[in-house]
Amino acid sequence: EDQVTQSPEALRLQEGESSSLNCSYTVSGLRGLFWYRQDPGKGPEFLFTLYSAGEEKEKERLKATLTKKESFLHITAPKPEDSATYLCAVQEGSSASKIIFGSGTRLSIRP
Amino acid sequence: DTAVSQTPKYLVTQMGNDKSIKCEQNLGHDTMYWYKQDSKKFLKIMFSYNNKELIINETVPNRFSPKSPDKAHLNLHINSLELGDSAVYFCASSHLGLAENTGELFFGEGSRLTVL
Repeated sequence: EDQVTQSPEALRLQEGESSSLNCSYTVSGLRGLFWYRQDPGKGPEFLFTLYSAGEEKEKERLKATLTKKESFLHITAPKPEDSATYLCAVQEGSSASKIIFGSGTRLSIRP
Repeated sequence: DTAVSQTPKYLVTQMGNDKSIKCEQNLGHDTMYWYKQDSKKFLKIMFSYNNKELIINETVPNRFSPKSPDKAHLNLHINSLELGDSAVYFCASSHLGLAENTGELFFGEGSRLTVL
């Protein structure tokens, strides 16, 4: 069965303190791995899609990387406005397959 | 302009009642979805429609019935509500069907359902 596991469950950082969030996945043939940001009381907001091992995507202070078994979301010199829950999701290789989400990492950045 | 809008945002009701949540998207997308987010924050897909046609129907009790009158609308009707139905329900849309999707789903703000 396809699975997505994110760690840690919660992470508190000081402003400017860089760190990484992990997403481990088990899927029979990866079609795509996705990162979303979710603010309290809001719907998830799309950040990145990664398709193959070795691929990297960047957006402001965020960089997502992908290996054959996991993905990392690196946050460099975070600011308080980066505080949110970050969700990872995967889609397996067969067509019309559903997108499966992890339970997220709740990130808090203290000023 | 809200891209994906859901109503109501909050819904509090008694067990056994029937309720509906409405969703509309103005993005011109062909595919719409309903997701359920439980207290542990897991987002689980319930249904997916492509051009008004049901393409994903997860293992969801048949008390849940989606209806898509046109490709811009996807409503969710729930009969005989149970305590375990309490959750946040998200509507989403995507430009392409799941077979071609880049993974970019556009979500509404969610409808928090509380069953007492």
